Amino acid sequence: NAGVTQTPKFRILKIGQSMTLQCAQDMNHNYMYWYRQDPGMGLKLIYYSVGAGITDKGEVPNGYNVSRSTTEDFPLRLELAAPSQTSVYFCASSYSTLMNTEAFFGQGTRLTVV
Amino acid sequence: AQSVAQPEDQVNVAEGNPLTVKCTYSVSGNPYLFWYVQYPNRGLQFLLKYITGDNLVKGSYGFEAEFNKSQTSFHLKKPSALVSDSALYFCAVRDLYNNDMRFGAGTRLTVKP
Repeated sequence: NAGVTQTPKFRILKIGQSMTLQCAQDMNHNYMYWYRQDPGMGLKLIYYSVGAGITDKGEVPNGYNVSRSTTEDFPLRLELAAPSQTSVYFCASSYSTLMNTEAFFGQGTRLTVV
Repeated sequence: AQSVAQPEDQVNVAEGNPLTVKCTYSVSGNPYLFWYVQYPNRGLQFLLKYITGDNLVKGSYGFEAEFNKSQTSFHLKKPSALVSDSALYFCAVRDLYNNDMRFGAGTRLTVKP
């Protein structure tokens, strides 16, 4: 059981470049999330999705875009990379729309923008 | 909006001693509270959650947490710490009015032999 899989694990981007962080889950979860983790700041929600075709902004969406064409995949797009987007990015999913369900996390993508 | 605070950046304990990692929360409505652990270069792993009922919640790896509504706290505890418990611990909260989960800044636990 793979759970939540993120690719790539590491990436260095130049300012202004674009890239897509991939996330896939094989647990048939409806909810999926993208977080960024900065030192001493905990995790901040970027975008989330409650099902295929439905996405919504989280706490820090600026500079990012998402899509959800299937239940399994939830890619995160950076169009014009900026140094402020240097962070560790985590994708997560949960199996229910209920508030009492925990999230399952991928191993993260460490992104550096130079 | 809901929020959590973890007042300690770092907690140090000796192996075999009890440990406590603190968390306080703020929500509108009933809280749904979670603890996660993060080992180096890994994603977060779920430890335990409080939804309703008993104020003492038991979770994975011998951890437990005590929910205190009057103090709006949800402290993580373990009676006897292990060196392998050394990691970064996050408290998180959801409430009925939001679809997201808000995390604290994290507490780094170091257990020394």
